[in-house]
Amino acid sequence: KNQVEQSPQSLIILEGKNCTLQCNYTVSPFSNLRWYKQDTGRGPVSLTIMTFSENTKSNGRYTATLDADTKQSSLHITASQLSDSASYICVVSVRNAGNMLTFGGGTRLMVKP
Amino acid sequence: DSGVTQTPKHLITATGQRVTLRCSPRSGDLSVYWYQQSLDQGLQFLIQYYNGEERAKGNILERFSAQQFPDLHSELNLSSLELGDSALYFCASSGEGRGYTFGSGTRLTVV
Repeated sequence: KNQVEQSPQSLIILEGKNCTLQCNYTVSPFSNLRWYKQDTGRGPVSLTIMTFSENTKSNGRYTATLDADTKQSSLHITASQLSDSASYICVVSVRNAGNMLTFGGGTRLMVKP
Repeated sequence: DSGVTQTPKHLITATGQRVTLRCSPRSGDLSVYWYQQSLDQGLQFLIQYYNGEERAKGNILERFSAQQFPDLHSELNLSSLELGDSALYFCASSGEGRGYTFGSGTRLTVV
């Protein structure tokens, strides 16, 4: 069964600190992995997308890594800001399945001043 | 603005009623996806349409149905509504060589 699991479920950090969110997946055959940021009550917004051959990708203060062998990904946020408070969702796409996405349950991040 | 437009933004209705949610995909995208997100839950895939035809079906209840019209906009119909149907309903679209983008969602409250 295709699954995406994220940890931790929730995280509280102080403004300015770094944090790392984890994603493990069992999706096969793998096509790509995306990280989304979802503000409360809003639609998810794409942060990064990585294919099988990519093992790191950055978008500003967000850096995603991918280890396709161990089927793990991480999202590292540096110098956190209050506006980083949101849910971060790991999404894996299944190859040859019409762009079908499997969503993780998300990590709810709260950045405190 | 993601380019995906969903209407209405908010909807309050009574149990047993029927509602229609509308989605206009980003210009040029042929695929439309519908997702349900209940309170504090992850997104659950409901259904996908590609150029007017149903492409994939997820955990969509029989009380729910959808369609995609020739102009590529899509509607999600929810009938015999129950309290548990209260959720955010998101539409997303994608196209050949283009990323996957979400709309802002419709918040449905069933009372």
